[in-house]
Amino acid sequence: QQQVKQSPQSLIVQKGGISIINCAYENTAFDYFPWYQQFPGKGPALLIAIRPDVSEKKEGRFTISFNKSAKQFSLHIMDSQPGDSATYFCAALHREDSNYQLIWGAGTKLIIKP
Amino acid sequence: DTEVTQTPKHLVMGMTNKKSLKCEQHMGHRAMYWYKQKAKKPPELMFVYSYEKLSINESVPSRFSPECPNSSLLNLHLHALQPEDSALYLCASSPRGQGTVSGNTIYFGEGSWLTVV
Repeated sequence: QQQVKQSPQSLIVQKGGISIINCAYENTAFDYFPWYQQFPGKGPALLIAIRPDVSEKKEGRFTISFNKSAKQFSLHIMDSQPGDSATYFCAALHREDSNYQLIWGAGTKLIIKP
Repeated sequence: DTEVTQTPKHLVMGMTNKKSLKCEQHMGHRAMYWYKQKAKKPPELMFVYSYEKLSINESVPSRFSPECPNSSLLNLHLHALQPEDSALYLCASSPRGQGTVSGNTIYFGEGSWLTVV
C-alpha cells in the first residue's frame, strides 16, 4: 500500500502546550520518514526525520516517536509557540528501482493560540 | 547550505502564453524534481530528473515540458495552460547515489505561484 495516513486534519493548541500529530503506514519498504513544515505561501521545509531502526529522535522542541511494529510514527512539539502555526506533513521515502519518491500524508493545519 | 532557488515567485499567464519556471541548486545534488501543490493538499510529483535524465514522468499533460540543462538547473516550460493548472509549483532536489536512503532527503524551494487566466 502506497499510503501514509495522517491525523488530525487540523489541531488547535494553547501556547505552551504539546502538539501531537500522528501518521501510520502499511508498506514496510518505506525506510525513511521525514516531517515537513509549511508556512502559507512558502515551500515545505524539512523539519526532522527518522529511520525505522530508531524509536525516537529529538531536535530542540520537536520529537519524532517511531513504533515499527505498529507502523506508526508521530511528531510532538513541546512548549508550542504561535510561530509553530503552520501545516505539517509527514512523509515516507520510498525507493523504487533507482528512484526515491516521497509518499505524503494529507497534512495537519496547526494553530497555536496565544 | 540546503538552498533551492526558484524564479519567478509569482507568474500570471494567459491560456495562449508560453512561459517558463526556473530552478537552481548548488548543493551538488543529482536528482531534481518538479511538484505541483494545490491549496490544503500535499505536493504531487510531476517529474524527476536523475543525473540530468528524465526518470519519472507522472502522466503529466504535454502542456508541461521539463528540461534539465545541467546538474544545477531545472526548467519547466509552460504552454497552453488551463485555469485549473493554477497552483504552487515546487522544485526540489536530493543527493542521490550516496548509498543510504537517509542521504537522499528531498529539499524544496519556496515555489512559484502560477495563475492561469
